[in-house]
Amino acid sequence: EAQVTQNPRYLITVTGKKLTVTCSQNMNHEYMSWYRQDPGLGLRQIYYSMNVEVTDKGDVPEGYKVSRKEKRNFPLILESPSPNQTSLYFCASSLGTSFTEQYFGPGTRLTVT
Amino acid sequence: EDQVTQSPEALRLQEGESSSLNCSYTVSGLRGLFWYRQDPGKGPEFLFTLYSAGEEKEKERLKATLTKKESFLHITAPKPEDSATYLCAVQANRGSTLGRLYFGRGTQLTVWP
Repeated sequence: EAQVTQNPRYLITVTGKKLTVTCSQNMNHEYMSWYRQDPGLGLRQIYYSMNVEVTDKGDVPEGYKVSRKEKRNFPLILESPSPNQTSLYFCASSLGTSFTEQYFGPGTRLTVT
Repeated sequence: EDQVTQSPEALRLQEGESSSLNCSYTVSGLRGLFWYRQDPGKGPEFLFTLYSAGEEKEKERLKATLTKKESFLHITAPKPEDSATYLCAVQANRGSTLGRLYFGRGTQLTVWP
């Protein structure tokens, strides 16, 4: 089954404690991306990757890091989380930048206290 | 600045009452416009891609259309299971930002029996 998986699905943490949210896809997609979704603001792109070792900033990259060492995985790293990073995070993948049939993961709800 | 505006923010329809959702955009050269459906607590699900003015796509009770400045998602004879948030996103035709997707804030549709 074609899918994008994220872990963990729920996370409560404290300010400043480094964390990583993993994202993996099983469709051999070249393109992957991270979004955050906040009430009243919609989906905003954090980072994206066009291929292995190629990453670029989206609308709201501050406070986040990503890496793409292999095609299937695209982890999101928060090195020093702050309360304003409390949000619902989605990972997505597609075959390329045509975005036809872009698949989203189930989401990770992060709370930073 | 690339921008996507969706209206209305919320729409309540009685089962069978057809209507349309609007997505207006400002982007310097449209490469693609995308519609997604999002159910509560889940990731967005891809519906349609539109590339050029005049293009139409259909899927069951949904039909998406595109003009040079906006897109409409027409819902014909909706059923309660069509209740969801519908998201619109655009991709600009700029080589340096092909990986960027700009989302609107969505229209929350409720269809009651």
